[in-house]
Amino acid sequence: QKEVEQDPGPLSVPEGAIVSLNCTYSNSAFQYFMWYRQYSRKGPELLMYTYSSGNKEDGRFTAQVDKSSKYISLFIRDSQPSDSATYLCAMISTSGTYKYIFGTGTRLKVLA
Amino acid sequence: EAGVAQSPRYKIIEKRQSVAFWCNPISGHATLYWYQQILGQGPKLLIQFQNNGVVDDSQLPKDRFSAERLKGVDSTLKIQPAKLEDSAVYLCASSPAVPSGRTHNEQFFGPGTRLTVL
Repeated sequence: QKEVEQDPGPLSVPEGAIVSLNCTYSNSAFQYFMWYRQYSRKGPELLMYTYSSGNKEDGRFTAQVDKSSKYISLFIRDSQPSDSATYLCAMISTSGTYKYIFGTGTRLKVLA
Repeated sequence: EAGVAQSPRYKIIEKRQSVAFWCNPISGHATLYWYQQILGQGPKLLIQFQNNGVVDDSQLPKDRFSAERLKGVDSTLKIQPAKLEDSAVYLCASSPAVPSGRTHNEQFFGPGTRLTVL
């Protein structure tokens, strides 16, 4: 079993839709939870991060962490064609070295 | 502020050849990471440096991969000899420090080097 599981998609939605992206994980030592956006032929860029459990909102983006279910989500409201990218979840364990573990990424396409 | 620089952007080699990638992190960033991202997968950490010391290289195939960070600034990643399965994007990232407590210390990625091994 992989430490972090993420549906690779692709996910196609119409412009203006609410998008829900999810990851599950198995390591209870994960404390930092991040979402990265990666455009084609570019490096990932950080969108949101959360320490431990809870919700965090930034503009059209909301990140949720449910540690009891080992489940994290990213919601995108009023999706735009410019949101078309691959979205990677990432986590860091606080035991041992601070190693980032990435999901496989979900490809999102927002149709105009 | 300049971002993380990587070169070359693309490289095509034949199997068993050698190749080297270069990374210049953001000025002042103590931590440098090299990742391998195979098509359709997330980045996998190969090696992490704190200044010029290695923090984690547990997933680096040491029989063929090597990396160094001289003077705690630039870094090079070398593959010798290359195999077909090394075809991937090699990403370099840097951060001011490692996460501590609630402080995340964001990782900044370069554009990557796309390696094709024929």
